[in-house]
Amino acid sequence: DAKTTQPNSMESNEEEPVHLPCNHSTISGTDYIHWYRQLPSQGPEYVIHGLTSNVNNRMASLAIAEDRKSSTLILHRATLRDAAVYYCIVMKTSYDKVIFGPGTSLSVIP
Amino acid sequence: DTGVSQDPRHKITKRGQNVTFRCDPISEHNRLYWYRQTLGQGPEFLTYFQNEAQLEKSRLLSDRFSAERPKGSFSTLEIQRTEQGDSAMYLCASSQAGVAPSYEQYFGPGTRLTVT
Repeated sequence: DAKTTQPNSMESNEEEPVHLPCNHSTISGTDYIHWYRQLPSQGPEYVIHGLTSNVNNRMASLAIAEDRKSSTLILHRATLRDAAVYYCIVMKTSYDKVIFGPGTSLSVIP
Repeated sequence: DTGVSQDPRHKITKRGQNVTFRCDPISEHNRLYWYRQTLGQGPEFLTYFQNEAQLEKSRLLSDRFSAERPKGSFSTLEIQRTEQGDSAMYLCASSQAGVAPSYEQYFGPGTRLTVT
């Protein structure tokens, strides 16, 4: 699976948009980009995934670069409950094992 | 759908003892995964099952570790002769492979193991 690079930590003010970047320059043409997040003292939870086109769901949006070497997870209005570690993962299939990196620890400031 | 459950949530044991953890996946899910997470790190893959077959084991899974999924339902992870380095959160996840949409793995709350 392709490696991903994310900032170690980011901060956001409450109710402002947050853009969480991820680089995956070795991604292959059929790899999916997944995002999971892990709230404190909980197991990870799925956020969103995509292949080529930008994706939206009730939790977030995923913007994928045209060359697919990077992507950005967008939280439209950060809340205190969004404070978590966000993991960007590249996977061949959605149900393959997940190889987690260190992720980005997001702090939300009231 | 009651989600993935794990039991116990916390376990404290003395070095050298054996421990067993249980995971109950979402009922219709055919894949079940075990991960281990130490403080400040992302989860690390240990092993996974498709139905009752154990299809992959990580090099992290030493011979002191054994996992089973009899009848393709719940799974157990046993650690024999525990060591202090085994102290971690053990996470279970399940998913439905081969049936669209099958986008996500559902994780349980984890079992926190402390070896003293």
